[in-house]
Amino acid sequence: AQSVTQLDSQVPVFEEAPVELRCNYSSSVSVYLFWYVQYPNQGLQLLLKYLSGSTLVKGINGFEAEFNKSQTSFHLRKPSVHISDTAEYFCAVSLIAAGNKLTFGGGTRVLVKP
Amino acid sequence: DGGITQSPKYLFRKEGQNVTLSCEQNLNHDAMYWYRQDPGQGLRLIYYSQIVNDFQKGDIAEGYSVSREKKESFPLTVTSAQKNPTAFYLCASSSPHRDLFYEQYFGPGTRLTVT
Repeated sequence: AQSVTQLDSQVPVFEEAPVELRCNYSSSVSVYLFWYVQYPNQGLQLLLKYLSGSTLVKGINGFEAEFNKSQTSFHLRKPSVHISDTAEYFCAVSLIAAGNKLTFGGGTRVLVKP
Repeated sequence: DGGITQSPKYLFRKEGQNVTLSCEQNLNHDAMYWYRQDPGQGLRLIYYSQIVNDFQKGDIAEGYSVSREKKESFPLTVTSAQKNPTAFYLCASSSPHRDLFYEQYFGPGTRLTVT
């Protein structure tokens, strides 16, 4: 079975500083990868996804992520954060051969300080 | 506007009562999902349905039941057998179109408190 580990449960960062959220997965078969964002008391919104092609994926709100197959990682980055980026971020994987079921990591809470 | 609605946003129940959470979508999506979210544990899949009149158990189905009588509706019942029902419940759906098949769209969630 696949699993997803988000290595940091909380990441405090100052406004306009860069941020990186780490995600590692384990799977014996090929996967699709996703990052979602959740603002307080709301549902999840897709930030970006990797299905195939270029390993550097650009998403909404200035976020990007890089798929590294050898390290089974899919880290999320933003070069300069805003106060409005304060939220919880979830990494998720879907087995290509298993339809569209998602397995989520535990989440990383980002707190942007002024 | 197309989207997923979950109602109510907050729900309070006494222990021992069954409660049904509503999920409706007007995106014409075939697949629908129910997740449970607890602090620090991410989202865990309860049930999912790929087509009308068919559904499968997810990772934590015990104490829950679902139905899928209509394409746009996928209600979740939290039964009295669920030992820790207090949680944030999220409904999602995904498109039948190949390029979007793996992308799930989420509703705003229902926060259930059982005392």
